[in-house]
Amino acid sequence: DVKVTQSSRYLVKRTGEKVFLECVQDMDHENMFWYRQDPGLGLRLIYFSYDVKMKEKGDIPEGYSVSREKKERFSLILESASTNQTSMYLCASSLSHRTGTYEQYFGPGTRLTVT
Amino acid sequence: AQRVTQPEKLLSVFKGAPVELKCNYSYSGSPELFWYVQYSRQRLQLLLRHISRESIKGFTADLNKGETSFHLKKPFAQEEDSAMYYCALSPRRGYQKVTFGTGTKLQVIP
Repeated sequence: DVKVTQSSRYLVKRTGEKVFLECVQDMDHENMFWYRQDPGLGLRLIYFSYDVKMKEKGDIPEGYSVSREKKERFSLILESASTNQTSMYLCASSLSHRTGTYEQYFGPGTRLTVT
Repeated sequence: AQRVTQPEKLLSVFKGAPVELKCNYSYSGSPELFWYVQYSRQRLQLLLRHISRESIKGFTADLNKGETSFHLKKPFAQEEDSAMYYCALSPRRGYQKVTFGTGTKLQVIP
């Protein structure tokens, strides 16, 4: 059973703080993703990693960075949090294979509030 | 770039009524289409994908390339179907980044 865990369910930070969101998966998946989930906007991809130390920008990377030093762990970093980054953040992982696009397994989400 | 459109933010139906959640996409190639579902206080999870041509929890979805649609259907809605539904597209087989739609909240009225 695939498990994707996120370090916090709820987080409250102040404007200008550096924020770290951690995600860990235990199924040896190559791909990991960070999304924002906002009402009316759906899921928007922030960053995608297809291997250790490899990353690609998603649709809304501005204000975010990521780190993947180990296969099972993918971190999202808000260098200087702003109120417009208040959102639900979802991490996901999936297998990688050229013959198909595989199911993404999601974590429970971190609801971040920036005040 | 591909785009996924879910025109309804909220769809309310009575229990036992048919359900159709609309999904339209814009992409000229041969995409792979998915439906994901998020029940209250649960994780987002895959419901079904077009290449499997399967029925999950009574839901089916047919890819119509002519109309570029992938509508999700169920003949008789149940209360437990109430959830947020997202349509998603991968532009080609093997491409792992998918584009999600904005979601439709399905509310089944008892």
